[in-house]
Amino acid sequence: QSALTQPPSASGSPGQSVTISCTGTSSDVGGYNYVSWYQQHPGKAPKLMIYEVSKRPSGVPDRFSGSKSGNTASLTVSGLQAEDEADYYCSSYAGSIILLFGGGTKLTVL
Amino acid sequence: EVHLVESGGGLVKPGGSLRLSCAASGFTFNNAWMIWVRQPPGKGLEWVGRIKSKSSGGTSDFAAPVKGRFTFSRDDSKDIVYLQMNSLKSEDTAVYYCTTGYSDSSGGYHGDDAFDIWGQGTMVTVSS
Repeated sequence: QSALTQPPSASGSPGQSVTISCTGTSSDVGGYNYVSWYQQHPGKAPKLMIYEVSKRPSGVPDRFSGSKSGNTASLTVSGLQAEDEADYYCSSYAGSIILLFGGGTKLTVL
Repeated sequence: EVHLVESGGGLVKPGGSLRLSCAASGFTFNNAWMIWVRQPPGKGLEWVGRIKSKSSGGTSDFAAPVKGRFTFSRDDSKDIVYLQMNSLKSEDTAVYYCTTGYSDSSGGYHGDDAFDIWGQGTMVTVSS
């Protein structure tokens, strides 16, 4: 099964909002409310930012929010800050395949 | 403080084998589902597989590209999980991360869908 589809890049100015999409199928994103989002800075391990589509682990700023419609999930970063510049990956539970990741989106803060 | 530390990476020839280790500290390891995720140089994340806790059956599942070549084992007395990689191919070249399922504030455990503790990764290079 193919990876989930994310745009390769996104950008926004400080203070603005940016939304990153993650498109799958009815067998993964559309079939389960188990979409997660990870932030990865260069040379670092990923960090869990969102789980179960829209829930934030303790310590993640509320500037980060998630949603889902049909087979597409989205991560919105509001009030962009310089430290938000990173790669972002979505993932989805996919039944017997267990888990799929998206190809990643490089977020640039202009 | 919670920690995961991977080791065992290195350079191996195609067809060779390598065993990675992931040592855990700061949390109850025997209850944790342990997951491996890899990242080829300059590319995205790929789920490799998972071993459940013994209390959840201790079973393993693997991604299609590694099924039949990779195996997991865990030593709960030492808080270590191992990834045995056989018949290695060039496309297995990647940074390998171990991670663990997320325990949310409502008591839910996300062993197959959300991972919150990550190691620093260990590089595996398969090349002649």
